[in-house]
Amino acid sequence: SAVISQKPSRDICQRGTSLTIQCQVDSQVTMMFWYRQQPGQSLTLIATANQGSEATYESGFVIDKFPISRPNLTFSTLTVSNMSPEDSSIYLCSVGPDYQETQYFGPGTRLLVL
Amino acid sequence: DQQVKQNSPSLSVQEGRISILNCDYTNSMFDYFLWYKKYPAEGPTFLISISSIKDKNEDGRFTVFLNKSAKHLSLHIVPSQPGDSAVYFCAASGNAGNNRKLIWGLGTSLAVNP
Repeated sequence: SAVISQKPSRDICQRGTSLTIQCQVDSQVTMMFWYRQQPGQSLTLIATANQGSEATYESGFVIDKFPISRPNLTFSTLTVSNMSPEDSSIYLCSVGPDYQETQYFGPGTRLLVL
Repeated sequence: DQQVKQNSPSLSVQEGRISILNCDYTNSMFDYFLWYKKYPAEGPTFLISISSIKDKNEDGRFTVFLNKSAKHLSLHIVPSQPGDSAVYFCAASGNAGNNRKLIWGLGTSLAVNP
């Protein structure tokens, strides 16, 4: 299994600002995913980070709000833009060979927007 | 509409006894099912999976049962240990199109009492 780290582990931000979350994997991986878990909710897939091309976003998520970069096979960033209190959530990156295969998760970034 | 349902938000069992966590799904296109365990302040950790061609998969103390006709799966932990106390997520996916992403349940919080 891959070892995945995320930075920051938690943050408190003011509304209207942006936060960039980093995800680093200790080995090259095919697929990297970004999830959100809002309080009392299940994990929801935001997007698939594609190396060298634009991310693939799920319904309800757009690039202007959640820009994603993936410059290589071991690193990705997710930016939460123009934050509002509704963006308070845990953001998780995961990796796996494909959608239907086992995914391995980072420790998550706990975000609170005031 | 919740396609993967874990109707019990919490479960409490005695150490040494069996823990049974249940999961129901509505999408008949799902053909791969996974269980993840999550400790506080950590990302989900893969536990066990089962494909729709099987009705049982066992790994040590953990067994997953799949009843396709009832669209129901369950995770059995025998014997339960205090270290098993965590939130358990059920996830499902299909193998084509928009069904390929993992869909998650809300989780069941298991407490194993010494």
